[in-house]
Amino acid sequence: KAGVTQTPRYLIKTRGQQVTLSCSPISGHRSVSWYQQTPGQGLQFLFEYFSETQRNKGNFPGRFSGRQFSNSRSEMNVSTLELGDSALYLCASSLGPVDGYTFGSGTRLTVV
Amino acid sequence: KQEVTQIPAALSVPEGENLVLNCSFTDSAIYNLQWFRQDPGKGLTSLLLIQSSQREQTSGRLNASLDKSSGRSTLYIAASQPGDSATYLCASRGSTLGRLYFGRGTQLTVWP
Repeated sequence: KAGVTQTPRYLIKTRGQQVTLSCSPISGHRSVSWYQQTPGQGLQFLFEYFSETQRNKGNFPGRFSGRQFSNSRSEMNVSTLELGDSALYLCASSLGPVDGYTFGSGTRLTVV
Repeated sequence: KQEVTQIPAALSVPEGENLVLNCSFTDSAIYNLQWFRQDPGKGLTSLLLIQSSQREQTSGRLNASLDKSSGRSTLYIAASQPGDSATYLCASRGSTLGRLYFGRGTQLTVWP
C-alpha cells in the first residue's frame, strides 16, 4: 500500500516569493497534519485537516495556510517567503483517533 | 500545553549494547504515544504506537513502555546494531484532534 507522498522533495525559492507544497495521504486516511522541522526549533505543528476542515492550528503567522481537498489530498502555502522559512516540511496522515500517524519523506525548502 | 522531554539528547554506544531511551510528558491525559525514527534528511518512520490503556508494545528488538501516571515512556533497544543509528523521537497525542507533541529527540550512534 502506498505511503504518504509529498511533492516536490526539494525546493529553492527566493525571499518574497510564495510556495505551495503538496501531500497525498494514505488511501482512506482523512486526517492530514503538517509540521515544520528546523535544527533550532525541532518539530513544530502547523495545522491539521480532517474532511476538508481545519481542526487545529499551530502558532504560525498568517503567511502559512493550507487546505484539504475532497480526496483528502492537502496543500500548504507559504507566502512572502523569509529566510527563516527554510526547513523540512513534513506531512502526516492518520486513519482515526486511535491510530498512529504515518509521515511522508518531507519537502526540503531552502529560501535564499 | 503539553511539554515532551527526551533524555539523553545524544548517545554513542558500541554494537551489541542494550539501550534505554527516555521520554517524559507533562500532561498525563494523553490519547496515545508514538515512537519514531528519523534518519538524516529523511521523514519519520513509525516504530511503535502505545494506546493510553496499554502498558507496553513490542516489535522485534524494540520494546516501548508507557506509564501515564508518572508521565513517562521508555524505548528499549536490545542488542543494538550500527543500522540503529538515527534520531529517535517520541510524540504524544492529547486528544482526538490530530496534533502530536514532539520531544527534541535522542541522537543515537552505534559503532561497530
